[in-house]
Amino acid sequence: NAGVTQTPKFQVLKTGQSMTLQCAQDMNHEYMSWYRQDPGMGLRLIHYSVGAGITDQGEVPNGYNVSRSTTEDFPLRLLSAAPSQTSVYFCASSYSSWGLAGTQYFGPGTRLTVL
Amino acid sequence: KQEVTQIPAALSVPEGENLVLNCSFTDSAIYNLQWFRQDPGKGLTSLLLIQSSQREQTSGRLNASLDKSSGRSTLYIAASQPGDSATYLCAVRRDNAGNMLTFGGGTRLMVKP
Repeated sequence: NAGVTQTPKFQVLKTGQSMTLQCAQDMNHEYMSWYRQDPGMGLRLIHYSVGAGITDQGEVPNGYNVSRSTTEDFPLRLLSAAPSQTSVYFCASSYSSWGLAGTQYFGPGTRLTVL
Repeated sequence: KQEVTQIPAALSVPEGENLVLNCSFTDSAIYNLQWFRQDPGKGLTSLLLIQSSQREQTSGRLNASLDKSSGRSTLYIAASQPGDSATYLCAVRRDNAGNMLTFGGGTRLMVKP
């Protein structure tokens, strides 16, 4: 299994540009999430999904969209990039939320810089 | 709102020492707590998950305890090695619905040979 994969690894955008961060997992996990990690702020949840077709907002959803058309993929869209969205983005997945099946597996991250 | 705090923010110890990392949370109504390891420039790796009904979990040289009523968890690392150098994060899950984890700021551990 490849686990959780994210592309691209690095990205530089100009203010106002849009882009999609890709996340895929091959573990048949129902639960998927997007986090951003910022110095001094820790990891914060952006959006999450508990299954195909179901998404919900996390702590910091503004400026981001998600969709979940398949179990495997959970892309994160930046609608109009702003310097405040400069961060490292992590995708995570788990089989469920129940017991040890709730163990979260993280991707390697995407480092995004918005100029 | 749940807040998770990890103290100290950084820790440096000589190789072979036993050490304890601390995690505290403000709302004791949690479903479970996870400890993660993060190496520089990498993603997070899950180390241990403790359900709210459990008191501790062990994996190799790692032992995590949970005292839900006092809002505390500790990660005990026995016989530390230079390869243990990393940032250690704890995260609490509010309930078994949704996918909401609240993370602490992490403890950056350096184990010196």
